[in-house]
Amino acid sequence: GAGVSQSPSNKVTEKGKDVELRCDPISGHTALYWYRQSLGQGLEFLIYFQGNSAPDKSGLPSDRFSAERTGGSVSTLTIQRTQQEDSAVYLCASSQTTPQETQYFGPGTRLLVL
Amino acid sequence: DQQVKQNSPSLSVQEGRISILNCDYTNSMFDYFLWYKKYPAEGPTFLISISSIKDENEDGRFTVFLNKSAKHLSLHIVPSQPGDSAVYFCAARSNYQLIWGAGTKLIIKP
Repeated sequence: GAGVSQSPSNKVTEKGKDVELRCDPISGHTALYWYRQSLGQGLEFLIYFQGNSAPDKSGLPSDRFSAERTGGSVSTLTIQRTQQEDSAVYLCASSQTTPQETQYFGPGTRLLVL
Repeated sequence: DQQVKQNSPSLSVQEGRISILNCDYTNSMFDYFLWYKKYPAEGPTFLISISSIKDENEDGRFTVFLNKSAKHLSLHIVPSQPGDSAVYFCAARSNYQLIWGAGTKLIIKP
């Protein structure tokens, strides 16, 4: 497919467990973003990758959250010791080159922490 | 402190009429404003945008208006169609970050 893909589409986990969320951006897009959408809220910026530059992690809510992007393509968002307030839809987006380009979103991963 | 606000959680409009979705912002440094549309179980899709140096941008049935003095923008959809039923997000760009509103659910009634 030509769009941004994310997996899993849904994840239910127990409090205290670690989870990994995956994002495959559009081929050739150098910029990749992670957002979080809690119920009834707008999208909250988490982290931004641009090419080989150091990522902007300023939106990560705590040190339990981390993300990496291997080979400038696939990205993984890891949440350690999940808490119930981590329950949300996690959205990944990519854009072609610069941040001024339109961001294209994946369908999201719905995370529920019990 | 919400920098981008969409004060109407939902809006219901008759098919064929005009839909007007509103968005207010507080940061005068935003240089670009965007509207995204989101269907259930899908990611947001880009709809239309406007630079802060313009007042209006039209694309088919969609027009975005920007009032910088009021720090207000609106999205007009005319005529509204059933397929327009979705959640509409307003977003404002500052550097590479998009700051998002909470969304307005638009329901088009047949």
